[in-house]
Amino acid sequence: KNEVEQSPQNLTAQEGEFITINCSYSVGISALHWLQQHPGGGIVSLFMLSSGKKKHGRLIATINIQEKHSSLHITASHPRDSAVYICAVRSGTASKLTFGTGTRLQVTL
Amino acid sequence: NAGVTQTPKFRVLKTGQSMTLLCAQDMNHEYMYWYRQDPGMGLRLIHYSVGEGTTAKGEVPDGYNVSRLKKQNFLLGLESAAPSQTSVYFCASSYSGRLGSLYEQYFGPGTRLTVT
Repeated sequence: KNEVEQSPQNLTAQEGEFITINCSYSVGISALHWLQQHPGGGIVSLFMLSSGKKKHGRLIATINIQEKHSSLHITASHPRDSAVYICAVRSGTASKLTFGTGTRLQVTL
Repeated sequence: NAGVTQTPKFRVLKTGQSMTLLCAQDMNHEYMYWYRQDPGMGLRLIHYSVGEGTTAKGEVPDGYNVSRLKKQNFLLGLESAAPSQTSVYFCASSYSGRLGSLYEQYFGPGTRLTVT
């Protein structure tokens, strides 16, 4: 069993829909990261959180430490949100990350 | 600032050849990392460094060597390339900061390596 599990693996939505991507992990962590990888391959950090909830524009990330679960929400989705969303957990020394396999999101008009 | 840059962007090697991937960052970060990304798998840590002159093994270090002679550069070497090393390689860097503080990792654009 992977230490970091994401669901769903693939997601297709229509423009304007509310989207939720889930991440479950099995180890103790110091932080959880949500990353975005566009078709060109570049990876950017969206959120980094150790508790509660963070919001940036139409993106919201939440984490429940007791349940070892995090969600990434996208409100009013848009085709430009089409990307792979990756959950990663930080544990141990040197801020090392363990990554989920990603959720591929396609938003259509 | 250029952030994190990687050289080259693409490379094709024959089995047994050697090469070095260069990662450079201009953010004065202490921590640097090399990952590989393969279809259907999450990014996996190859080697990492917590400072100039120091390196450590990650999850999948076999077949790779690294060096961090200067703080801003982190080199990944393949001494004898194998088809199993066909992958996309990403470098990342991070500020170390105070214990307990959270700092994001900044990723380079990736290097697509094919070993035939």
